Amino acid sequence: NAGVTQTPKFQVLKTGQSMTLQCAQDMNHEYMSWYRQDPGMGLRLIHYSVGAGITDQGEVPNGYNVSRSTTEDFPLRLLSAAPSQTSVYFCASSYSIGGGSSYEQYFGPGTRLTVT
Amino acid sequence: AQSVTQLDSHVSVSEGTPVLLRCNYSSSYSPSLFWYVQHPNKGLQLLLKYTSAATLVKGINGFEAEFKKSETSFHLTKPSAHMSDAAEYFCVVSDSGMRFGAGTRLTVKP
Repeated sequence: NAGVTQTPKFQVLKTGQSMTLQCAQDMNHEYMSWYRQDPGMGLRLIHYSVGAGITDQGEVPNGYNVSRSTTEDFPLRLLSAAPSQTSVYFCASSYSIGGGSSYEQYFGPGTRLTVT
Repeated sequence: AQSVTQLDSHVSVSEGTPVLLRCNYSSSYSPSLFWYVQHPNKGLQLLLKYTSAATLVKGINGFEAEFKKSETSFHLTKPSAHMSDAAEYFCVVSDSGMRFGAGTRLTVKP
């Protein structure tokens, strides 16, 4: 199993550009999520999905879009990049034990994004 | 609503001495609690998890944590620090979704 994969590893964007961060998992996990990590703030949830066709907002969703057309893939779109979106982005996936939230998440290696 | 507070942003210990990383949480339900570790420029790795079974949880690399409901705490300990333990550690609470603490950076001095 490859686990959770993310591409690209690094990206530099200019303000106003759009791009898509890719995330894929091969563990047949129902639950997938995107986080951003900023110094001193831990990881903050951007969007998540509990299955194909179902997505919902997390703590910091503004400026980001997601879709979940397959179980395996969960891309994150930046609509119009801003310097405030400079961060490290992590994708994660997990089972949903008993339909609840007691799940262990498996993380991808991260994408380091810089917006100038 | 759930939240998690890591009480120390930075902990420094000498190699061979005990490690204590403190975490307090609040939750409306019976939460699951996790500790993750992140080594420099790496992704996150699960150290251990509590999901309402035994209150003392053993994890990888000699770490353990004790769930204390009366104190709403889930502190991470290790009897003897190793240089390879130097990393960022995150306490995570999960009841209606996952919420991360701000992290504790552990430095291990030779």
